[in-house]
Amino acid sequence: EDQVTQSPEALRLQEGESSSLNCSYTVSGLRGLFWYRQDPGKGPEFLFTLYSAGEEKEKERLKATLTKKESFLHITAPKPEDSATYLCAVGTDKLIFGTGTRLQVFP
Amino acid sequence: DGGITQSPKYLFRKEGQNVTLSCEQNLNHDAMYWYRQDPGQGLRLIYYSQIVNDFQKGDIAEGYSVSREKKESFPLTVTSAQKNPTAFYLCASSIRGPRAGPHYGYTFGSGTRLTVV
Repeated sequence: EDQVTQSPEALRLQEGESSSLNCSYTVSGLRGLFWYRQDPGKGPEFLFTLYSAGEEKEKERLKATLTKKESFLHITAPKPEDSATYLCAVGTDKLIFGTGTRLQVFP
Repeated sequence: DGGITQSPKYLFRKEGQNVTLSCEQNLNHDAMYWYRQDPGQGLRLIYYSQIVNDFQKGDIAEGYSVSREKKESFPLTVTSAQKNPTAFYLCASSIRGPRAGPHYGYTFGSGTRLTVV
């Protein structure tokens, strides 16, 4: 059965304290891995798409990487405005979402 | 600007009522989707449509119905048969539907929060 697991469920960081969020998956026929950011009461906002192992994408303080079994979202020197829930999704014949990591960054 | 518009933002339903959630996109995307989001759970697929006048059930279609009469519009009706309708509903679209080849990912609307009163 296709499955996506995100860890940790919640993460509290001090401003400037770098860390990583994990997305592990077991799917047959990966056709893309996606990271989204979701603020409370809003729809998910697209961040990155990764298609093959070894691929990396960067945007401001965020960097996404992909291996054959997992993806990491690295957050470097986070700021309070990075606080949000980060969702990982894998594309097969549909898009399967993990339950997300709720990130809180304190000044 | 192109995007997806969901309305209303908040919706209240009485027991036994049917309600319809609106979703409109001006991205010229072929495929559209409806997801339900509950606390502590991932997004769950309700219905999706790859082309006009065609749609398929997702993982939790019971108690819901959809139509796709226009490319831009994909309304969702929550019927009285849906026993636990209180949730956050998200509409999304993608350039192409789920077929062989790269997955294009989705653009999401801002959501509708439905509450049963």
